Amino acid sequence: KNQVEQSPQSLIILEGKNCTLQCNYTVSPFSNLRWYKQDTGRGPVSLTIMTFSENTKSNGRYTATLDADTKQSSLHITASQLSDSASYICVVSAADNAGNMLTFGGGTRLMVKP
Amino acid sequence: SQTIHQWPATLVQPVGSPLSLECTVEGTSNPNLYWYRQAAGRGLQLLFYSVGIGQISSEVPQNLSASRPQDRQFILSSKKLLLSDSGFYLCAIGQGSLRNTGELFFGEGSRLTVL
Repeated sequence: KNQVEQSPQSLIILEGKNCTLQCNYTVSPFSNLRWYKQDTGRGPVSLTIMTFSENTKSNGRYTATLDADTKQSSLHITASQLSDSASYICVVSAADNAGNMLTFGGGTRLMVKP
Repeated sequence: SQTIHQWPATLVQPVGSPLSLECTVEGTSNPNLYWYRQAAGRGLQLLFYSVGIGQISSEVPQNLSASRPQDRQFILSSKKLLLSDSGFYLCAIGQGSLRNTGELFFGEGSRLTVL
């Protein structure tokens, strides 16, 4: 069964600090991995999409890494801002399913405090 | 660029009542459309997807149904709501192949509370 596990479930950091969110998956065959940011009560917004051959990808202060061998990904947030407070969702796409090819993690809820 | 409109934004319904959630998209034609449900603390669950008018695929057995009467309209319905139907419902557009690097764009969601 395809699964995506994220840790920690929640995290509180001070403004200006860095943090790293983790994602482990057992999706096979792997196609790509996505990170989404979801503000409370809003729809998720895509941050990055990484394919098998990509090890790291940045989007401003967000940097995602992918280790396809260990089936792990991380999202690193640099110099956090209050607006980074949100849930971050890891999503893995399988290569052989026409419909439900995306498996969603449960998300990490990040709170940035002043 | 495409936009996704979902309504109502919030809804409180009694058990056993009917449901209709609407999703309308603009700025694109013949899109792949998706309905997801997000329960508290859990990952998004795909409910239905549609590749064209009248074409609906269901991913999980449930008392919900979906229809696509027009190219840019996707409706989620129920004849009798259950308590377990409470959640945050998200409509999404798939742009390009999700097997590759195609994007999935989400609407703002509809929060349903069944009492």
